Amino acid sequence: DMKVTQMPRYLIKRMGENVLLECGQDMSHETMYWYRQDPGLGLQLIYISYDVDSNSEGDIPKGYRVSRKKREHFSLILDSAKTNQTSVYFCASSLGTPGNTLYFGEGSRLIVV
Amino acid sequence: QQQVRQSPQSLTVWEGETAILNCSYEDSTFNYFPWYQQFPGEGPALLISIRSVSDKKEDGRFTIFFNKREKKLSLHITDSQPGDSATYFCAASESNYQLIWGSGTKLIIKP
Repeated sequence: DMKVTQMPRYLIKRMGENVLLECGQDMSHETMYWYRQDPGLGLQLIYISYDVDSNSEGDIPKGYRVSRKKREHFSLILDSAKTNQTSVYFCASSLGTPGNTLYFGEGSRLIVV
Repeated sequence: QQQVRQSPQSLTVWEGETAILNCSYEDSTFNYFPWYQQFPGEGPALLISIRSVSDKKEDGRFTIFFNKREKKLSLHITDSQPGDSATYFCAASESNYQLIWGSGTKLIIKP
């Protein structure tokens, strides 16, 4: 079953708190991604991971960090969340290079108050 | 700098009509153009894609028309159904590089 699972789906945090968003996939895909989606802005790439412990910054990495210790699991961490990080976060995975099909999770809606 | 542009931002058509969604890009090295469909509360999912060696790609009611010279492409949805109501994202990439995403077109099909 080809699936990308994100947890939690909804989260409310106070400004300055730490946030952990988790993502798992069951397809043994090497490449995984974290995007954020805001109205009118489409999808913005935060980080891309090419395999375990092989992570690269995307277009908007500031304020975020990631961890990938197992191929099937990719975490997004916000240290000291800010109100402008309120967004919907999507995890995705692909087989090999980014030129292949991306499989997305259902998203994690984060509200920072 | 927005490298992939989509228009219109939103589009409403009647059931049975053809919806036309437009996309343009700036980088002539882009050679892979997928369209992703996103329903509310879900993640995007690949709908159809085309590579620059082709000028047309068809999959059922969905067709991509590609004009390499003008750096434009369009997604045509014929016989639109209410279930096609979604946001459609055009994206582009060069070979194995990361996708560059457009900002999306919200399509509403009125029954």
